[in-house]
Amino acid sequence: GAVVSQHPSWVICKSGTSVKIECRSLDFQATTMFWYRQFPKQSLMLMATSNEGSKATYEQGVEKDKFLINHASLTLSTLTVTSAHPEDSSFYICSATGTMNTEAFFGQGTRLTVV
Amino acid sequence: AQRVTQPEKLLSVFKGAPVELKCNYSYSGSPELFWYVQYSRQRLQLLLRHISRESIKGFTADLNKGETSFHLKKPFAQEEDSAMYYCALRYSSASKIIFGSGTRLSIRP
Repeated sequence: GAVVSQHPSWVICKSGTSVKIECRSLDFQATTMFWYRQFPKQSLMLMATSNEGSKATYEQGVEKDKFLINHASLTLSTLTVTSAHPEDSSFYICSATGTMNTEAFFGQGTRLTVV
Repeated sequence: AQRVTQPEKLLSVFKGAPVELKCNYSYSGSPELFWYVQYSRQRLQLLLRHISRESIKGFTADLNKGETSFHLKKPFAQEEDSAMYYCALRYSSASKIIFGSGTRLSIRP
């Protein structure tokens, strides 16, 4: 199957700083990318959907100014957690679908710890 | 609103026993249903989707629109089936994919 890679796999940052997480589709063009957040022992919660070249569509309750999403190319989407606080600590996962829009491929996830 | 419900957080069965992981959904349109699996320390991966009507690793799932269910079944569980299983729904209008809360399947030897 196609490969989606996230970077970094884990990051620790100080409260008040911003953190950028990258999501890349390595061998296909990702027309749509999804960002999820997963709390320990819980399911994936969809945060936002982004289409290449368009503004992201955020789910209800997700602050767009807090979680900045950029999908500037067909192979890269970034999630920036701005002014991070300890409650933003979580596992963030991206997934991507290609032009055929059938199967979604998942990144390995990024564990963010805000101290 | 669209929703995926997996009523069991944990399902434990003996090796060789049949397995059924339940999934119900709520969506007024034409749904596209998936089962994803996450093995220990690995990323989520697609197990099967309803439009393919295929059997993967001995697992099958049938979409029942009348009962709005998409239960995952396997007649004889194997130890390597132990994993976290997520039922997912894509709504065609928005192409969003949402997940159920997941069921941890534990196969006892």
